[in-house]
Amino acid sequence: KAGVTQTPRYLIKTRGQQVTLSCSPISGHRSVSWYQQTPGQGLQFLFEYFSETQRNKGNFPGRFSGRQFSNSRSEMNVSTLELGDSALYLCASSETGTGFSGYTFGSGTRLTVV
Amino acid sequence: DAKTTQPPSMDCAEGRAANLPCNHSTISGNEYVYWYRQIHSQGPQYIIHGLKNNETNEMASLIITEDRKSSTLILPHATLRDTAVYYCIVHNAGNMLTFGGGTRLMVKP
Repeated sequence: KAGVTQTPRYLIKTRGQQVTLSCSPISGHRSVSWYQQTPGQGLQFLFEYFSETQRNKGNFPGRFSGRQFSNSRSEMNVSTLELGDSALYLCASSETGTGFSGYTFGSGTRLTVV
Repeated sequence: DAKTTQPPSMDCAEGRAANLPCNHSTISGNEYVYWYRQIHSQGPQYIIHGLKNNETNEMASLIITEDRKSSTLILPHATLRDTAVYYCIVHNAGNMLTFGGGTRLMVKP
């Protein structure tokens, strides 16, 4: 079956702009989580959606937001981009959202803010 | 989720077993031990998980001590493709994984 698909793979944006990243989970998976990975901070949890509802949220400013659609696809948005937002953004999906079956990660979107 | 401690790096000879340790002394009864690995610039890949019993799958074995305060991931015959950062995570039924620094495993020919 198809894996987790993230688009686009690479993105270059200018400071102050906004960006939207997309994640299509594995078919049948209802939970989608988002993570930010930077060399300095490692992998950090952004938020998690289950059945179109945000269920968990990490410690990121309000410029970071997300949503999930009825087909479980998810988007995350970052407004007023800062240089420090340059990172690899990863999404992960799981079947029930409890994680006991393991999370499947996408290959990520590499965002560069200039 | 409980915090884990892993050595920052390890080397292993190709074809030998790689034993990656993890300490999780504050683990609680309902927390599972998960292992993921991340090959450069890719998303983390699930390897194995367990609660209290030892587990084995096609990728690896997981040995959890009786007191559950530590565990070891065993790659029985490491190959160059196993070079990656390995993350040990303890996790309950909540839905966020808390990643630490992981262990950078270098498999050498």
